[in-house]
Amino acid sequence: AQRVTQPEKLLSVFKGAPVELKCNYSYSGSPELFWYVQYSRQRLQLLLRHISRESIKGFTADLNKGETSFHLKKPFAQEEDSAMYYCAPTPGGSEKLVFGKGMKLTVNP
Amino acid sequence: DTAVSQTPKYLVTQMGNDKSIKCEQNLGHDTMYWYKQDSKKFLKIMFSYNNKELIINETVPNRFSPKSPDKAHLNLHINSLELGDSAVYFCASSQGREAFFGQGTRLTVV
Repeated sequence: AQRVTQPEKLLSVFKGAPVELKCNYSYSGSPELFWYVQYSRQRLQLLLRHISRESIKGFTADLNKGETSFHLKKPFAQEEDSAMYYCAPTPGGSEKLVFGKGMKLTVNP
Repeated sequence: DTAVSQTPKYLVTQMGNDKSIKCEQNLGHDTMYWYKQDSKKFLKIMFSYNNKELIINETVPNRFSPKSPDKAHLNLHINSLELGDSAVYFCASSQGREAFFGQGTRLTVV
């Protein structure tokens, strides 16, 4: 079955600590992978997409096809990174945007 | 300019009532969605329309009926509201794979 898994629901770290938000998917073919973020009382918005291979707000995400993972990483977390993060793999050829269950990141001062 | 706008932002209503949430996008996108975010922040797709045609209809009670008068609008009508319908409803649009979301409508059924 096609599925996306974010195994951890909560992650709490101190400012300056590294963070890794995990995402695994089980879609066949070549899905396009995204990370979305929702800051407190704000709309969901795109954080980054794997085809861009860019770093946004210090976050990067590497697609590992062998492990079918797309983990989101940041070497030094900041308080303003506190938010809900959703992994969203989109199956190839599909317009269906499916999201993982989300993970709440809290960065403490 | 707001790309995807939803109204109302907050909606408090009694059980059994019928209510609508409106969504408009000015991005010229062909595809629009409705998502439900529950109390655990789990985001679940409900409907998807492509150029006014329904293409995705997940397992959603018949009390929920989307309507797309044109490709810039996708409204959500809910009949006979139940307590379990309380959630935040997000509208989104996309052209290709990237989605743009509205600010959400927090529906509270009392």
